[in-house]
Amino acid sequence: EDKVVQSPLSLVVHEGDTVTLNCSYEVTNFRSLLWYKQEKKAPTFLFMLTSSGIEKKSGRLSSILDKKELFSILNITATQTGDSAVYLCAVGGGFGNEKLTFGTGTRLTIIP
Amino acid sequence: DGGITQSPKYLFRKEGQNVTLSCEQNLNHDAMYWYRQDPGQGLRLIYYSQIVNDFQKGDIAEGYSVSREKKESFPLTVTSAQKNPTAFYLCASSIRAGTQYFGPGTRLLVL
Repeated sequence: EDKVVQSPLSLVVHEGDTVTLNCSYEVTNFRSLLWYKQEKKAPTFLFMLTSSGIEKKSGRLSSILDKKELFSILNITATQTGDSAVYLCAVGGGFGNEKLTFGTGTRLTIIP
Repeated sequence: DGGITQSPKYLFRKEGQNVTLSCEQNLNHDAMYWYRQDPGQGLRLIYYSQIVNDFQKGDIAEGYSVSREKKESFPLTVTSAQKNPTAFYLCASSIRAGTQYFGPGTRLLVL
């Protein structure tokens, strides 16, 4: 059974801090790992990672994948209150389909 | 505007009633998905469809049914057989093997 585990479950930091969110996985026939940000409603797409060791970056957010150790991290530097959200990690695997398996998410709270 | 729309935003179901959640996309995506989200849990896949007139069960399909008669539309029916339907339902779509993009969700409550 495919499995995605995120840690920590929740994190509270002060504005300006740097945070690292973790995602480890076990899937059959790994194809991709995706990060989403969920505030109140729909998850919004952040990154898709398919190759090991290549960092994806968007502003203060960055992510990297390690396919040998089966994990990914999402870094957020100089955090702002608008970064408060649940961050979801999802892994695509299997054969002949586009199924994603989601972790339970990390709830990040930024204190002003 | 291109995107995914879900309706209604909130839906109330009475005991023994079937209800249908709407999902429409104008992104020309082949694949569409339905997920359920419960508090403290990740998204769980109910059904998915990779092409018109074809769909597959996800991990928690019992008590749900879908149809895919048009590329743009993938409605989900929550039947009376689903004993614990209260949840947040998310629809998503993607090109084949591409990133999934989500609609705004429907919150279903049982009266």
